[in-house]
Amino acid sequence: GAVVSQHPSRVICKSGTSVKIECRSLDFQATTMFWYRQFPKKSLMLMATSNEGSKATYEQGVEKDKFLINHASLTLSTLTVTSAHPEDSSFYICSARDLVDIPYEQYFGPGTRLTVT
Amino acid sequence: GQQLNQSPQSMFIQEGEDVSMNCTSSSIFNTWLWYKQDPGEGPVLLIALYKAGELTSNGRLTAQFGITRKDSFLNISASIPSDVGIYFCAGQRDNYGQNFVFGPGTRLSVLP
Repeated sequence: GAVVSQHPSRVICKSGTSVKIECRSLDFQATTMFWYRQFPKKSLMLMATSNEGSKATYEQGVEKDKFLINHASLTLSTLTVTSAHPEDSSFYICSARDLVDIPYEQYFGPGTRLTVT
Repeated sequence: GQQLNQSPQSMFIQEGEDVSMNCTSSSIFNTWLWYKQDPGEGPVLLIALYKAGELTSNGRLTAQFGITRKDSFLNISASIPSDVGIYFCAGQRDNYGQNFVFGPGTRLSVLP
């Protein structure tokens, strides 16, 4: 089956620093990857859609300068949380869509728990 | 925006019981998906439904795509402890992964 990995699984950083989270599709090519944020006991909230070779599309209310997304290859997208603050602490989950899978189901990574102190 | 509602929000059942949960929307979706999320993990796809009226099973799980295309249900038969988790429905309006909306989830607890 389609496997998506995320790295790191957990990260603790100090307020004001930047953190990069990687999302990789391990056994398929993904033209589109999605980044979600999940607060405790809440559902997943789509932050942005990442398209390989082009700029990401951000959902309303998500600061694109704060959450930098790069999708440089068909198997890797990165989310960088810049100048992190405690309110950025959350569970970040990526998903990827298989290029050839019809009708384009999304496969989710295991998530990255970010804690900003 | 598009909203999905799930009910119940949470449920406690005895091991061996059957479970039923549903997902409704005011909008039409072309695809319904059911995911399970364990604590600290990403969602795992359980069942995907692509046609109105479709009934699909995956082991002890059965899901149906409502005929109005505005709802779906998921049944779990003979629940076991590892069924514990949060079950999310998700609706997709097209086949390109866009407009993918998650419901708020149903938290299932299974008592031994």
